[in-house]
Amino acid sequence: DAKTTQPNSMESNEEEPVHLPCNHSTISGTDYIHWYRQLPSQGPEYVIHGLTSNVNNRMASLAIAEDRKSSTLILHRATLRDAAVYYCILVSSGSARQLTFGSGTQLTVLP
Amino acid sequence: DAGVIQSPRHEVTEMGQEVTLRCKPISGHNSLFWYRQTMMRGLELLIYFNNNVPIDDSGMPEDRFSAKMPNASFSTLKIQPSEPRDSAVYFCASSWTNYGYTFGSGTRLTVV
Repeated sequence: DAKTTQPNSMESNEEEPVHLPCNHSTISGTDYIHWYRQLPSQGPEYVIHGLTSNVNNRMASLAIAEDRKSSTLILHRATLRDAAVYYCILVSSGSARQLTFGSGTQLTVLP
Repeated sequence: DAGVIQSPRHEVTEMGQEVTLRCKPISGHNSLFWYRQTMMRGLELLIYFNNNVPIDDSGMPEDRFSAKMPNASFSTLKIQPSEPRDSAVYFCASSWTNYGYTFGSGTRLTVV
């Protein structure tokens, strides 16, 4: 499986944008880039995913590098409720579609 | 949409007892996944079903673990006999093709 590399932790101030980076230099052409987050005492929650183009939804934006070897999850205005572990995961479009979780980035939002 | 429903939310059992965890996926989703989360090992995939058929069970720790999906709306994960090292939070997730995966709230299992 192609691996991802994320910082262990990041801090942000409330109401400010947050850019969470992810490196995936061994990504294959058919791998989708998925982001999930896990709030304390909850199951992982889908945030966003993309293949080549940047993506936006109500929760966040996903910026994908032109060579697809890195991506950035953007939370436009962090709130205290966004404090969570954020996981960047590559998902094959083939038959093996399981999510393989790494250690993720622990985001702390400061009031 | 009630989401992925898992039961029970909490389970405390004695070593050696059989434990059955249950999952109801989202209607229309064709894939179902069982994960286990511990502090030491993080989130680990145990088994994955596609259209009710087990596709990959390489993550199942040993023969004490078994999983079934008798129909599209129900799956079980059974541990027999249970051991203290099985204590963890077990998550079920479902998905449709390459759309986002939806996780349940998990079952916190404690084996004493």
